[in-house]
Amino acid sequence: DAEITQSPRHKITETGRQVTLACHQTWNHNNMFWYRQDLGHGLRLIHYSYGVHDTNKGEVSDGYSVSRSNTEDLPLTLESAASSQTSVYFCASRGQGSNSPLHFGNGTRLTVT
Amino acid sequence: GENVEQHPSTLSVQEGDSAVIKCTYSDSASNYFPWYKQELGKGPQLIIDIRSNVGEKKDQRIAVTLNKTAKHFSLHITETQPEDSAVYFCAASETSYDKVIFGPGTSLSVIP
Repeated sequence: DAEITQSPRHKITETGRQVTLACHQTWNHNNMFWYRQDLGHGLRLIHYSYGVHDTNKGEVSDGYSVSRSNTEDLPLTLESAASSQTSVYFCASRGQGSNSPLHFGNGTRLTVT
Repeated sequence: GENVEQHPSTLSVQEGDSAVIKCTYSDSASNYFPWYKQELGKGPQLIIDIRSNVGEKKDQRIAVTLNKTAKHFSLHITETQPEDSAVYFCAASETSYDKVIFGPGTSLSVIP
């Protein structure tokens, strides 16, 4: 079955370090998204991509970057981790069809100390 | 950009009662309104969606209504069961494949 996987599931890092969270989907979806989830804020969009070499900023993109070199992967990089980036990060993908829902991964819990 | 608000933030109901969650959105260009359910430790999953050319949609115990003029949409769960306990998110999007903007979520508890 097609799926979307995130790794690692948990990560602890220090302030100032560069961190990359992986997202891999086997749906062959063009559209991929990164969200962060914080209490009281729900899911906020960080970056998204509509295809290879396409990237776009979302609501809370400062301090984050993404690259899309193939259809399956959209890694999220924190250039210099800050304590405010402690959160649960979700990757999602969806197809181009009119009835294509967002498929989410199970999340990465990131703690910045 | 789009802003989605959601109320209440927490909701407790007795098993068998109904639950209603209300949302508003700001961008009149939004035409697609999905609802997601998130269980503990998992990613959100789509439970129902509605498009702007439809005023109401039902799927078994779940129904959604949309008032595009007022920019309001609601989720109704009837005959609630303990397994309905979860966090529910409303969301809005210009199309069914575009980026999705979420509300802050409602934590629903169904008391047996």
